[in-house]
Amino acid sequence: EAGVAQSPRYKIIEKRQSVAFWCNPISGHATLYWYQQILGQGPKLLIQFQNNGVVDDSQLPKDRFSAERLKGVDSTLKIQPAKLEDSAVYLCASSQMGIATTYEQYFGPGTRLTVT
Amino acid sequence: AQTVTQSQPEMSVQEAETVTLSCTYDTSESDYYLFWYKQPPSRQMILVIRQEAYKQQNATENRFSVNFQKAAKSFSLKISDSQLGDAAMYFCAYRKTSGTYKYIFGTGTRLKVLA
Repeated sequence: EAGVAQSPRYKIIEKRQSVAFWCNPISGHATLYWYQQILGQGPKLLIQFQNNGVVDDSQLPKDRFSAERLKGVDSTLKIQPAKLEDSAVYLCASSQMGIATTYEQYFGPGTRLTVT
Repeated sequence: AQTVTQSQPEMSVQEAETVTLSCTYDTSESDYYLFWYKQPPSRQMILVIRQEAYKQQNATENRFSVNFQKAAKSFSLKISDSQLGDAAMYFCAYRKTSGTYKYIFGTGTRLKVLA
């Protein structure tokens, strides 16, 4: 079974530039998560999709971050414009279902973003 | 709001020895799930072990076991017969069984295994 795919693995941009990250979840997984992991901290949920609908985006900085999940499969997370404090690893995870189950989250390798 | 606290930023253990990583959490819910995740230097996070709060029996997965104290809101991870491959960041996580089912992670404990 193929795992969660993410690209790119690394990205360096200057502040005020734009960047996009891509995630392809495990086939058949209805729930997709985007996390931000700042160095020395645990992952923080940015947005959670159930199929192509948003379940939770309460911690997404909506003035600069946006995410979409077209057709309930792949997802893209965008930052525009980037700030220095956005430097972090962006993790994508997926699970079969997000509700009332113990279905495991499977994580991708992450994208390390450095904003200079 | 739910919180997860890992008070040990770093731990060391000799190869073949046993180590315990601590985690406490705060919630007003009676039913929830707790998890330990491992994140090796390559960054891919993997699930180590899970515990359902309604189960009194502590979960065990091979060399990994938990000590779940619901009243004390404590959820520690014991690694027996530590191996070099156990070196990683370990994150404790909490998830409700209702609402948005958001995962809340602690700040992590870096485990070093000494040969």
